[in-house]
Amino acid sequence: TAGITQAPTSQILAAGRSMTLRCTQDMRHNAMYWYRQDLGLGLRLIHYSNTAGTTGKGEVPDGYSVSRANTDDFPLTLASAVPSQTSVYFCASSEGTGQETQYFGPGTRLLVL
Amino acid sequence: GQNIDQPTEMTATEGAIVQINCTYQTSGFNGLFWYQQHAGEAPTFLSYNVLDGLEEKGRFSSFLSRSKGYSYLLLKELQMKDSASYLCAVRDSNYQLIWGAGTKLIIKP
Repeated sequence: TAGITQAPTSQILAAGRSMTLRCTQDMRHNAMYWYRQDLGLGLRLIHYSNTAGTTGKGEVPDGYSVSRANTDDFPLTLASAVPSQTSVYFCASSEGTGQETQYFGPGTRLLVL
Repeated sequence: GQNIDQPTEMTATEGAIVQINCTYQTSGFNGLFWYQQHAGEAPTFLSYNVLDGLEEKGRFSSFLSRSKGYSYLLLKELQMKDSASYLCAVRDSNYQLIWGAGTKLIIKP
């Protein structure tokens, strides 16, 4: 079982360009999440989806958008990248939104120049 | 505001015991998680506490006191592979995880 996969592994992006970070899970989990991790800070929630067809804003949603067309996929789009979006992005999923554990993908390292 | 505090870095010796503390102030409480994150890798789940007391899982134990807003992760018989960052996270009243910045644990031979 692959669990959660993310693509690309890393990317260098020019400021002002758009990009979609892909996330796919094969565990049939209902809930999915996007976090960013920056040095010295805890993981910060960007967007989440409690179930297919629904999405919600997290702590730092500005500059990002998501969609959840089906259970397995949860892409994150940067419409016009800025250098402050340089970060490591982790996708995670959980069976539900109660007390279930979140499982993480391997991450995407993004550098915006 | 919501806040999770843990030490930035700790050093311990192989074979010894280390305790990593976490204090929290959140809007509501629906459980506390500990994750391990090796450098350049994804966080992986270690333990979960929702009631006061100690949860033991092999060499790792986690303790929770809800009245004090306090938890610790206890690692026994330290091995070099335990060198990693340890992340404390609290699920708040909205069932969102609030994360601490992590404690980098350095194990010396």
